[in-house]
Amino acid sequence: GDSVTQMEGPVTLSEEAFLTINCTYTATGYPSLFWYVQYPGEGLQLLLKATKADDKGSNKGFEATYRKETTSFHLEKGSVQVSDSAVYFCALKIEKTGANNLFFGTGTRLTVIP
Amino acid sequence: DTGVSQNPRHKITKRGQNVTFRCDPISEHNRLYWYRQTLGQGPEFLTYFQNEAQLEKSRLLSDRFSAERPKGSFSTLEIQRTEQGDSAMYLCASSAPGTGSEQYFGPGTRLTVT
Repeated sequence: GDSVTQMEGPVTLSEEAFLTINCTYTATGYPSLFWYVQYPGEGLQLLLKATKADDKGSNKGFEATYRKETTSFHLEKGSVQVSDSAVYFCALKIEKTGANNLFFGTGTRLTVIP
Repeated sequence: DTGVSQNPRHKITKRGQNVTFRCDPISEHNRLYWYRQTLGQGPEFLTYFQNEAQLEKSRLLSDRFSAERPKGSFSTLEIQRTEQGDSAMYLCASSAPGTGSEQYFGPGTRLTVT
């Protein structure tokens, strides 16, 4: 079946540190891949996405590259800020007739300390 | 447009009672999704509507759960004879027509069954 395995947290980093959150997937078709972020007290927001192999999604200094050969979509940021503290979810979607629902990983809580 | 809204934001109920949640999607979005998120997990798909038609239901949606979208606008999710295992965050998302359209999430309704 379709699933996402995500690096377990929590992750605590100092401000300006480098961030990597690992994500690997299993899919029956050709998925689109996503990173969603959930800030404290807010709903899920799309952070970035990639729809085909070798695509790089980027937003707010975060990047992730769709690697078909390693079935991975790791999230990276070169210099984190306190405001990046949130829970990050990796997700996939198979484009098909029907729901096109998202399959989520378990989430990784990031805390950035000043 | 203020995005996807959900009411109530919090609901505490006693085991065995019925509860109903409401989701108002973004006005031009014809697709609507319900997900459930338990503590420490990512959201899991429950059901999907395209306009007023309920096109897919997850095996997670037991016969105690029913969802409607009578006029293709807002949707309701009802849980009958609630159980403690139903305690979770219930998330609604909507998306526009077309392949690859982004799902926008509401803030969720947190259900606690005592």
